[in-house]
Amino acid sequence: DAMVIQNPRYQVTQFGKPVTLSCSQTLNHNVMYWYQQKSSQAPKLLFHYYDKDFNNEADTPDNFQSRRPNTSFCFLDIRSPGLGDAAMYLCATSNPGGNVNEQYFGPGTRLTVT
Amino acid sequence: QKEVEQNSGPLSVPEGAIASLNCTYSDRGSQSFFWYRQYSGKSPELIMFIYSNGDKEDGRFTAQLNKASQYVSLLIRDSQPSDSATYLCAFFSGNTGKLIFGQGTTLQVKP
Repeated sequence: DAMVIQNPRYQVTQFGKPVTLSCSQTLNHNVMYWYQQKSSQAPKLLFHYYDKDFNNEADTPDNFQSRRPNTSFCFLDIRSPGLGDAAMYLCATSNPGGNVNEQYFGPGTRLTVT
Repeated sequence: QKEVEQNSGPLSVPEGAIASLNCTYSDRGSQSFFWYRQYSGKSPELIMFIYSNGDKEDGRFTAQLNKASQYVSLLIRDSQPSDSATYLCAFFSGNTGKLIFGQGTTLQVKP
């Protein structure tokens, strides 16, 4: 089945220790998104790639970076995680066109910072 | 005014009843609207989308869109305990090219 896969599902890192989260998709979608979601809050868009074009949200901290080496994969790098970065990180994909721009989410990576 | 407003709930309904979830939005240029279901600790799952005024039915779910009044709703018929989750309303903003989410409504279906 076509899907969005995230690895790892759970990640524990130490304060200040860089961490990389991975997302892959078999949907062949043009757009890949990274969201941060904290408890009882809506997902917050960090950035997205439209093909190779990177689009950063204005309020995304510099601590967060992303790479998309090819259509299928996208990575979220957190250079120096702080306690406030503990959250669920969601990857989503879409294939814009027509009247609908639905996004499909992966299972998420739960990040804990100790 | 928030871009998307949802009552956070919890909305509690007995098993077998109709659950009605509502959402209002501010961007009149919005074209497409989505309902995501999110179980605790899990990622959002797309359950319905709608882009034309009126009703759209899929099994026990009906999405309703009224662009003039800027609201979208989700009806869940014959509610089951397994429907207990947070339901996120979202719309695609043509201005920003982004999906704008509401805070979500927590639904509790009691056996």
